[in-house]
Amino acid sequence: KNQVEQSPQSLIILEGKNCTLQCNYTVSPFSNLRWYKQDTGRGPVSLTIMTFSENTKSNGRYTATLDADTKQSSLHITASQLSDSASYICVVSALEAGNNRKLIWGLGTSLAVNP
Amino acid sequence: EAQVTQNPRYLITVTGKKLTVTCSQNMNHEYMSWYRQDPGLGLRQIYYSMNVEVTDKGDVPEGYKVSRKEKRNFPLILESPSPNQTSLYFCASSLLAGRGAQDYEQYFGPGTRLTVT
Repeated sequence: KNQVEQSPQSLIILEGKNCTLQCNYTVSPFSNLRWYKQDTGRGPVSLTIMTFSENTKSNGRYTATLDADTKQSSLHITASQLSDSASYICVVSALEAGNNRKLIWGLGTSLAVNP
Repeated sequence: EAQVTQNPRYLITVTGKKLTVTCSQNMNHEYMSWYRQDPGLGLRQIYYSMNVEVTDKGDVPEGYKVSRKEKRNFPLILESPSPNQTSLYFCASSLLAGRGAQDYEQYFGPGTRLTVT
């Protein structure tokens, strides 16, 4: 069964500190992995998209890594800001019959950055 | 400005009263989709459309209808809403390539919070 699991479920850090969020998946065949940021009550916004051959991708203070062998990904946030307080969702795209792709959504990590 | 818009943003209604949530995108995207988001369950796909007059069920289509008469619009219809359809709804759109739309970044609308009493 295709699944995406994220940890921790929630996290509180102080402004300026770094943090790392984890994503483990059991999705096959794998197409790509995405990280989204979702502010409370708003639509998700894409941070990164990585394919099988990419090990790391950065978007400003956000750096995502992918280990396709162990089926793990991480999202590292550097020098956190109050505006980073949000839910971070890992989404894995699975290749289906007919060359279609299905998105498997994780439940997200809720991050709170405190002053 | 490229965007996906939804209306209304908030809606409180009663059981059985038909309602429509509109979704419109100005990016000329072929692919559009509806999701619902509930605490502890994440985002779940309701319906999607790969082009005009082409729609298909997602993971949780029961109790919902959609139509795609124009490329830019993808309304979500609840013919007879029930309390278990109380949720936060998101519309999303993306480009469609021959190898599958899911490879392309999805742009999400601001969400519609629906309460059915």
